[in-house]
Amino acid sequence: EPEVTQTPSHQVTQMGQEVILRCVPISNHLYFYWYRQILGQKVEFLVSFYNNEISEKSEIFDDQFSVERPDGSNFTLKIRSTKLEDSAMYFCASSQDYGYTFGSGTRLTVV
Amino acid sequence: GDSVTQMEGPVTLSEEAFLTINCTYTATGYPSLFWYVQYPGEGLQLLLKATKADDKGSNKGFEATYRKETTSFHLEKGSVQVSDSAVYFCALGTNFGNEKLTFGTGTRLTIIP
Repeated sequence: EPEVTQTPSHQVTQMGQEVILRCVPISNHLYFYWYRQILGQKVEFLVSFYNNEISEKSEIFDDQFSVERPDGSNFTLKIRSTKLEDSAMYFCASSQDYGYTFGSGTRLTVV
Repeated sequence: GDSVTQMEGPVTLSEEAFLTINCTYTATGYPSLFWYVQYPGEGLQLLLKATKADDKGSNKGFEATYRKETTSFHLEKGSVQVSDSAVYFCALGTNFGNEKLTFGTGTRLTIIP
C-alpha cells in the first residue's frame, strides 16, 4: 500500500536554530499538508499546498514557517528560528479524492 | 467555522465489552467524516470514513454511520480487544477530502484483559 514517508523520525535542535522536516507524499497525490500535535493534545492543521502554492494556512503558520516542493517528490517544512513551544510531532499528509494518508511523523524536540 | 466535538476520555473497558465513542460535528456544506487511530508511539492511521449522509464506514470490526440529522459520526465496536488500546480521533474534511482536516480532541481507549 502506498505510504507517505517522513524523515527524520526524531530531531533534536537548539532554540533559535533552523530545521527542515522532509516528506515524500504518495506519488499520484496532488494535495499536501502539514499538521502538528503537541504532546497529549489534538492534531492541528498548519498548512495545505496545491499546484505549487499554499492553498490555506492556519494562524499557527506564521512567518517562521515555510513550505516548499523543491522537486517532483519531496515536500518540506522549514522552521527558521525554533522556539521551545515548537516542540511537537509534525505530520505530513497527502490526499487525492478521499485518499487522505498521513506519514508516521517527525518528533521535533527544541532544547 | 468547522468543528468536531468528541467524547472526553480516557475510556477504560474490559475485553469483549461494547464500545461507543461519540463524535458530533459542525460544518458548512457536506463534509466527509473520518476516524483515525493512533497507537502508542505511532502516527495517524485511517480507521474508516464516510463521504455522504447515511454512509456507514467500517474496518476491523469498527463501524460509524454518517448521520446528517443529528450531525454525528459515533464510533462503535461490538467486542473490543486489548490490541484496540489507542487514541481515536474523529475528523471532518471538505472538498472531496482535498482540504484540511479538522480534528476532535481525541479519546484515549484502554482495554484491560
